Amino acid sequence: AQKVTQAQTEISVVEKEDVTLDCVYETRDTTYYLFWYKQPPSGELVFLIRRNSFDEQNEISGRYSWNFQKSTSSFNFTITASQVVDSAVYFCALSERNFGNEKLTFGTGTRLTIIP
Amino acid sequence: DSGVTQTPKHLITATGQRVTLRCSPRSGDLSVYWYQQSLDQGLQFLIQYYNGEERAKGNILERFSAQQFPDLHSELNLSSLELGDSALYFCASSVDTLYGEAFFGQGTRLTVV
Repeated sequence: AQKVTQAQTEISVVEKEDVTLDCVYETRDTTYYLFWYKQPPSGELVFLIRRNSFDEQNEISGRYSWNFQKSTSSFNFTITASQVVDSAVYFCALSERNFGNEKLTFGTGTRLTIIP
Repeated sequence: DSGVTQTPKHLITATGQRVTLRCSPRSGDLSVYWYQQSLDQGLQFLIQYYNGEERAKGNILERFSAQQFPDLHSELNLSSLELGDSALYFCASSVDTLYGEAFFGQGTRLTVV
């Protein structure tokens, strides 16, 4: 069965500091996708990134970057020069497609607080 | 705005009652997924429909049911409600499979009193 572990329950950093959110996953499939979602205080889930299991290139989008390492089954998320608006709960998720049973499995989330 | 619309945004009801949550997927999306987010269980997959047919089932209670209509909107029916059913219920949609992006609605916050 697939599993996503976000060991950091809560993180607080001072504004402008860099912060890394950890995500470790388990799956038996060779083909899968990994996702990060942001849930701000307003409650909606905002899609941030999708990465497929065959693409281990790191990705950078503005202040956000993602480090995917299959060797350690990790898909970590770094925010550089954090801002107060980054305060939210961040979820890592794994999609696995077993025929007839397809779903996103979410981690328990990391609550990130940026202190002004 | 994800393009996925959920109504109502908030719902307060008594134990034993039945409620219906509605979801309109993004235009062109054939798959609809329902998730439950509670403090103790986190984000849990309930059920998926694809083009009107049930495609996958997760940890959905027998008191809960869902359907997807010909216009692709979906409804999640929760009956014999218990206090523990209080949660945020999300709907998500995608064009086809979860190998694409899944766009989430804003959720329906259900409070059972």
